[in-house]
Amino acid sequence: EAGVAQSPRYKIIEKRQSVAFWCNPISGHATLYWYQQILGQGPKLLIQFQNNGVVDDSQLPKDRFSAERLKGVDSTLKIQPAKLEDSAVYLCASSFQGRSYEQYFGPGTRLTVT
Amino acid sequence: AQKITQTQPGMFVQEKEAVTLDCTYDTSDQSYGLFWYKQPSSGEMIFLIYQGSYDEQNATEGRYSLNFQKARKSANLVISASQLGDSAMYFCAMREPWNQGGKLIFGQGTELSVKP
Repeated sequence: EAGVAQSPRYKIIEKRQSVAFWCNPISGHATLYWYQQILGQGPKLLIQFQNNGVVDDSQLPKDRFSAERLKGVDSTLKIQPAKLEDSAVYLCASSFQGRSYEQYFGPGTRLTVT
Repeated sequence: AQKITQTQPGMFVQEKEAVTLDCTYDTSDQSYGLFWYKQPSSGEMIFLIYQGSYDEQNATEGRYSLNFQKARKSANLVISASQLGDSAMYFCAMREPWNQGGKLIFGQGTELSVKP
């Protein structure tokens, strides 16, 4: 079974530029999560999708971050414009609807904003 | 609000010995889940073990066991017979109740170094 795929793995941009990350969850997983992990901290949820609907985006900085999950499969997370404090690893995870616990994580995208 | 606390920024253990990584949590919910994840230097989060709040027995998965003390709100991870490949960051996390979204809340992590 293929795992959660993310691209790109690394991205370096200048502040005020825009960037987009892509995630392909495990086939059949209805729930998709985007986490932000700043160096030295644990991951923090940015947004959670159930199929193509948003369940929780309470910690998403909506003035600069946006995310979508068209057709309930792939998802993209966009930052526009980027700030220095957005430098972090962006992790995508998915879980099977109805499973009580296990989230499977992708390898992450490491973003550096200069 | 739910909170996870890991008070050990770094730990050292000798190969083949056991090690305990501490985790305490704070919640007013009766239904919740507790997790441990391993994050090697490559960056991916690897699920290790899960304990439900209503589970009476401590969870075990191979060399990993979770010492669940509900009254003390602690969920320590015990790794037996440490291996060099166990060197990584370890995160404790709590899942919110599903009627609140079910998201994971992570602690700050503990960096484990296994010495040969």
